[in-house]
Amino acid sequence: NAGVTQTPKFRVLKTGQSMTLLCAQDMNHEYMYWYRQDPGMGLRLIHYSVGEGTTAKGEVPDGYNVSRLKKQNFLLGLESAAPSQTSVYFCASSGGTWNLNQPQHFGDGTRLSIL
Amino acid sequence: QQPVQSPQAVILREGEDAVINCSSSKALYSVHWYRQKHGEAPVFLMILLKGGEQKGHDKISASFNEKKQQSSLYLTASQLSYSGTYFCGTERMDSSYKLIFGSGTRLLVRP
Repeated sequence: NAGVTQTPKFRVLKTGQSMTLLCAQDMNHEYMYWYRQDPGMGLRLIHYSVGEGTTAKGEVPDGYNVSRLKKQNFLLGLESAAPSQTSVYFCASSGGTWNLNQPQHFGDGTRLSIL
Repeated sequence: QQPVQSPQAVILREGEDAVINCSSSKALYSVHWYRQKHGEAPVFLMILLKGGEQKGHDKISASFNEKKQQSSLYLTASQLSYSGTYFCGTERMDSSYKLIFGSGTRLLVRP
């Protein structure tokens, strides 16, 4: 049982390049989330999804786009990378029948550096 | 608006106790607690869903005061393995299905 898998684990980009981070979960969870964590800081929510085909903005959505075409996958895109987007990105998923009554399961993170 | 965690950092000797607080300005459905070790992903500790609810897991327990919109995490007889950063995540009643995390409390347990 893999849980939540993020690819890639590390990436270095140049300013202006684009890339997509992939998150896959095998727990049949409805809810999926993308966070960023800057050094010494907490987790900030970028975008989230409450089901296949749905997405919503979190606290810091600017400069990012997401898609959830399949229930098990949640993609995070950077259209034109900026140095301010250097961070560690975590994906998480959770089940639940109403509200968040089950834990969020986190992937191992993607360490992204933008030069 | 982020929940406010206090203290920001604490250093303990092995066997000592600690309390970490999490306070929100908005009404809450739930409070989640996670621990993160350096270079790793956050790991779930517990969820508190009801006002006044208390939960315990080994020597780590937590309470949730719904009226005060506050939660506290209690670490008793701390062990070296308790070291890490503790985050509370709050699910607000006016914005459900997502967690807003506090800035974290760094805990260091020394022998």
